[in-house]
Amino acid sequence: EPEVTQTPSHQVTQMGQEVILRCVPISNHLYFYWYRQILGQKVEFLVSFYNNEISEKSEIFDDQFSVERPDGSNFTLKIRSTKLEDSAMYFCASSLRQAYSNTEAFFGQGTRLTVV
Amino acid sequence: GNSVTQMEGPVTLSEEAFLTINCTYTATGYPSLFWYVQYPGEGLQLLLKATKADDKGSNKGFEATYRKETTSFHLEKGSVQVSDSAVYFCALRGAQKLVFGQGTRLTINP
Repeated sequence: EPEVTQTPSHQVTQMGQEVILRCVPISNHLYFYWYRQILGQKVEFLVSFYNNEISEKSEIFDDQFSVERPDGSNFTLKIRSTKLEDSAMYFCASSLRQAYSNTEAFFGQGTRLTVV
Repeated sequence: GNSVTQMEGPVTLSEEAFLTINCTYTATGYPSLFWYVQYPGEGLQLLLKATKADDKGSNKGFEATYRKETTSFHLEKGSVQVSDSAVYFCALRGAQKLVFGQGTRLTINP
């Protein structure tokens, strides 16, 4: 069964460093998403991406964050200068079609980012 | 905007007990509704879904019915097992993004 894969599973970084979280969505999917879950809190939407551009982003997704689909298979989330409060589980997801249709988003296993 | 409210947790039950986790939503338009499950140390997995009013989603003995009149999508299971211990998230999907509830931690004791 096709699945969304994320690497690494766990990353530890020093405050102020740049990190890149990587995701390989399901191959025929067209819509891509990043969500995050701070420990013990709800899963929050960060950004959606379609046709090589951001289609929606939340207020969390500030100038520190960027997304890219560099080679037609990978989908990356970059945090330019990490802060302690960026420590969270980051989930990538993909879906075949947009909302209001019988479709669903498939999630990866997540990358746990720890900023020290 | 769209929002999802779940019953407060944590919930602790004995094996074979009946489970209900309440979920209500606020949304414009006609969202699809989902329950996701997060087992310890793992990512989010889709448990079940319903895409229109009166649809019933079901999987692994869990059920939820899309009730437009009460804007609810309560999760139920007739007889829970220890392996059902996890965090359960109710979610709706409107324009592209999923909006999640706060999650309900369920612990089943043998």
